[in-house]
Amino acid sequence: EDQVTQSPEALRLQEGESSSLNCSYTVSGLRGLFWYRQDPGKGPEFLFTLYSAGEEKEKERLKATLTKKESFLHITAPKPEDSATYLCAVRNDKIIFGKGTRLHILP
Amino acid sequence: ETGVTQSPTHLIKTRGQQVTLRCSSQSGHNTVSWYQQALGQGPQFIFQYYREEENGRGNFPPRFSGLQFPNYSSELNVNALELDDSALYLCASSLAVDRGNEQFFGPGTRLTVL
Repeated sequence: EDQVTQSPEALRLQEGESSSLNCSYTVSGLRGLFWYRQDPGKGPEFLFTLYSAGEEKEKERLKATLTKKESFLHITAPKPEDSATYLCAVRNDKIIFGKGTRLHILP
Repeated sequence: ETGVTQSPTHLIKTRGQQVTLRCSSQSGHNTVSWYQQALGQGPQFIFQYYREEENGRGNFPPRFSGLQFPNYSSELNVNALELDDSALYLCASSLAVDRGNEQFFGPGTRLTVL
C-alpha cells in the first residue's frame, strides 16, 4: 500500500537552532516528491519538487534532499516566521500526503 | 497572474443536504485537483480533472462528484452530507497532468456539517 509517514509530528526549536524533518515513503512508480508549507487556516504553499534519489534543492533557510526511501527537509538557523506545518507528498497516479510536521520556532 | 481562488470561504450545512464548492484555477493551468483536509491531518486526494475529464480518483464515495469547465474552473459537489464531511476542502491547479508538476493550492473552503 502506498504510504507517506512524516516525523516528528511536532517540533519546538529555539530561534537559530537547526534541525531536520523526515518524510518516509513507500510508493510504486514515484513521479515526484513535494514539500509544502501550510499556515493555519490556509492552503498549502509549494516549496520544492524532487524527482530522483540524490537530488537536493534549497530555498532560503530550507534544503530538501531525497533518497530512495525518504526525504529530509533541513532547516538552518530558523526564525519565528518559519513556524508552520510542513507537508510532504508523493505522486504516482495520484498524490498522497503525509500528516505533516508542526514546527514551532521560539524567539 | 492570478492565483487559485475558492468560494465560499466558509459554509454551514445540515446532514442530508447537498453542497457545491467552486474553484478558479491559476491562469494557464489546465488541471485541477480537489482534496479534503480534516483537522490535524494531511490533505486527502478526492479527484483530479484534466481538460474537463476526470483523471484519477481517491477513495471517496460516488456522492462526491465534480466538474471542470472549458475555462478550467471547477466545482466539487457533495450529496447527502454526513457529519464526517466537515473539513477544509482544498482545490489545487497545475500546468500538466502527466508530469510531477507542482500544484498551487487555493485558500480552501471550510465546510461544517451539523
